[in-house]
Amino acid sequence: GAGVSQSPRYKVAKRGQDVALRCDPISGHVSLFWYQQALGQGPEFLTYFQNEAQLDKSGLPSDRFFAERPEGSVSTLKIQRTQQEDSAVYLCASSLRPGGTQPQHFGDGTRLSIL
Amino acid sequence: AQSVSQHNHHVILSEAASLELGCNYSYGGTVNLFWYVQYPGQHLQLLLKYFSGDPLVKGIKGFEAEFIKSKFSFNLRKPSVQWSDTAEYFCAVHENRDDKIIFGKGTRLHILP
Repeated sequence: GAGVSQSPRYKVAKRGQDVALRCDPISGHVSLFWYQQALGQGPEFLTYFQNEAQLDKSGLPSDRFFAERPEGSVSTLKIQRTQQEDSAVYLCASSLRPGGTQPQHFGDGTRLSIL
Repeated sequence: AQSVSQHNHHVILSEAASLELGCNYSYGGTVNLFWYVQYPGQHLQLLLKYFSGDPLVKGIKGFEAEFIKSKFSFNLRKPSVQWSDTAEYFCAVHENRDDKIIFGKGTRLHILP
């Protein structure tokens, strides 16, 4: 089906390496969100795009985290100089229009493990 | 700080038992409320939502939730659970003046056959 697609599903990296996580939202969806879900926790907001504009990045934990959505569709979350505390599942979600009344459609996530 | 509290981290029930999962939030303004579910090996999906109107909302698979504004609560209920309801359930709140949705830590529900 045409759901939210994330790749890779699993990523293992050594501490200090850079990683890039990809999200393909549902076609035509304006809003795109990134979340970080640590073990035993709920998803925690990282950043939000409306089309190509990054309107909120208040949840990014440090300047090692960077997200982009240059053409308003596919988005990439990049983590530089990874640390062990970055190990988590990274979820992407999209919604058709802006606004909190729009349900978010989630991808399967990328499970990132930092050794 | 904005927060969403789910009272039970892990719930174990037998089939046909009644279910109530608690959710409280800390915002004072107008909110939109959600319950999401994650079945084993699957992605998060919307179970039900409340925006306005009747505070008792019905979702998929026989679930319902009641918004009680005075208690800042949005508890999830099901009269008779099934083994297939085994999943993790997340309460989430959106405050109208903001973009993001804040999730609770989740409740892992295990139904014994």
